[in-house]
Amino acid sequence: DVKVTQSSRYLVKRTGEKVFLECVQDMDHENMFWYRQDPGLGLRLIYFSYDVKMKEKGDIPEGYSVSREKKERFSLILESASTNQTSMYLCASSLSVPTTDIQYFGAGTRLSVL
Amino acid sequence: SQQGEEDPQALSIQEGENATMNCSYKTSINNLQWYRQNSGRGLVHLILIRSNEREKHSGRLRVTLDTSKKSSSLLITASRAADTASYFCATDGGSRLTFGEGTQLTVNP
Repeated sequence: DVKVTQSSRYLVKRTGEKVFLECVQDMDHENMFWYRQDPGLGLRLIYFSYDVKMKEKGDIPEGYSVSREKKERFSLILESASTNQTSMYLCASSLSVPTTDIQYFGAGTRLSVL
Repeated sequence: SQQGEEDPQALSIQEGENATMNCSYKTSINNLQWYRQNSGRGLVHLILIRSNEREKHSGRLRVTLDTSKKSSSLLITASRAADTASYFCATDGGSRLTFGEGTQLTVNP
């Protein structure tokens, strides 16, 4: 079974802090994704990566950056956390075609920015 | 705007009843997927239906796709309390997989 592991289930940070959310997948998938999920807004794509060191902006990249130095690891970085970034963050991976392949999700990180 | 939109937003039924959720989308697709999310957890893939398929089954799940109406439905038969979750459709009509806002299903024991 594919396993996508997010480093933290719950995280509390202060405004202005630099925040790292880590995601690791164990199935040699090409694509990795970061979403945020807010009530009434569904899942919104922040960034995705289709290869090591390659990244593409999603629908809401402002205030975020990503890093993919190794195939299995995809990090989401909040350079200076703000209260409006309080949300549930979901990482996902898929095999090869980002638009059509099944996505496998981690358990999510609930981030609170105070 | 979201490619896929689920309807209803919330559904509450009794155990043993069937649950039907609908998804409408705007542009042509290659496939449509349904996912489930238990409260506070990640999404889990349920079923994928290709644009040239009209119906697909998996256990107690039945998915239909009507490309002329740009809509899909997910039917869960003989529901159980453990089916309580949010259900999302995802479409590939754009440059990436796009998720709807989900239907919250509550199955009462």
